[in-house]
Amino acid sequence: AQSVTQLGSHVSVSEGALVLLRCNYSSSVPPYLFWYVQYPNQGLQLLLKYTSAATLVKGINGFEAEFKKSETSFHLTKPSAHMSDAAEYFCAVRGSTGFQKLVFGTGTRLLVSP
Amino acid sequence: DARVTQTPRHKVTEMGQEVTMRCQPILGHNTVFWYRQTMMQGLELLAYFRNRAPLDDSGMPKDRFSAEMPDATLATLKIQPSEPRDSAVYFCASGSGAQGISNEQFFGPGTRLTVL
Repeated sequence: AQSVTQLGSHVSVSEGALVLLRCNYSSSVPPYLFWYVQYPNQGLQLLLKYTSAATLVKGINGFEAEFKKSETSFHLTKPSAHMSDAAEYFCAVRGSTGFQKLVFGTGTRLLVSP
Repeated sequence: DARVTQTPRHKVTEMGQEVTMRCQPILGHNTVFWYRQTMMQGLELLAYFRNRAPLDDSGMPKDRFSAEMPDATLATLKIQPSEPRDSAVYFCASGSGAQGISNEQFFGPGTRLTVL
């Protein structure tokens, strides 16, 4: 079985500051990991994904995440926050074998202040 | 620009009424997912289909919810009878669900349901 834990339901940063959103996973098989972003009144959009290739994954809008097996983590970072990054971010996991559904975390709302 | 479409975008109904939500997956995608999002429960998977066959609907209240794919271009989620606790945003997502592939799910804009 798979699960993810997102630490912090809300994260506040200033514009230009580093963004760090935390995600820890649990998986009984080698995982695939995903970060999705949800803007107000919209559906979820894929930011990036880890599929057992490079452990440092670059996504859209300047975001990246690093898969750390020893820490069972897949934290999302961006060097410099922009006002347009304000949204809710979801970490998700699925097993890498067979057809398996995505399991989402509870989400972290990113607030960006001027 | 291929995208998942959902109708209606908003629905307000009274308790006891039937509600039908529709989803058009991206052409060529063979997996369809239905999710429900609420403040209290977050994002919950209700059901999913592969090649129009239901693979898992364990997340769905069986007595009132039903999900179908009449054809490859249409998925429906029906609630009968609806209850206030069904108020939520319902998302449809589609993907190409080959086994072992890191199938990205493409989400629709959602249907915001309010049951009075």
